Amino acid sequence: EPEVTQTPSHQVTQMGQEVILRCVPISNHLYFYWYRQILGQKVEFLVSFYNNEISEKSEIFDDQFSVERPDGSNFTLKIRSTKLEDSAMYFCARTHADTQYFGPGTRLTVL
Amino acid sequence: GIQVEQSPPDLILQEGANSTLRCNFSDSVNNLQWFHQNPWGQLINLFYIPSGTKQNGRLSATTVATERYSLLYISSSQTTDSGVYFCAVGGKTGANNLFFGTGTRLTVIP
Repeated sequence: EPEVTQTPSHQVTQMGQEVILRCVPISNHLYFYWYRQILGQKVEFLVSFYNNEISEKSEIFDDQFSVERPDGSNFTLKIRSTKLEDSAMYFCARTHADTQYFGPGTRLTVL
Repeated sequence: GIQVEQSPPDLILQEGANSTLRCNFSDSVNNLQWFHQNPWGQLINLFYIPSGTKQNGRLSATTVATERYSLLYISSSQTTDSGVYFCAVGGKTGANNLFFGTGTRLTVIP
């Protein structure tokens, strides 16, 4: 199964601070996704990223969010000014043979 | 986006029992996956099944795309099967975003 790792596993931040969540695919692929899951709720799509550009984004993915692939391998999700409601599990995913595989997630807690 | 409904929302089983989880979706799909979210929050891919039937050990899944539903069967359940089962669908082939259902929380008691 194609592997995806995410760092950190857990991040605690103060409201208004910037956070960067990282996704590291084991092998080089072009298509990646970010999803989030608020505690006790369903998983929601945020953004897809293809060949270093945003392919699709949801209504959740507003101006406070951005994605980058700064060094050609790591894939980052930045939240510029965190709010309490950004507290959630954030998952990175990649596609292999039409199947999406999810990383272990980063649990973000905004205080 | 595509609406995805799962039933039942909660299910409690005695170890060794069988169960069927259902996923209904509102539009044609070219991608359907079942996931198991374990107690540590990890999403484990169970099946990629936009149509037809697949089996993997004690688990099997069937999707009837023309009638817009999918079923996940768990036989001889074990305590390690506990967790939340999500159905997720995509409206396009290839690499596109998934719409998740609200899940079925399964608890298997010894």
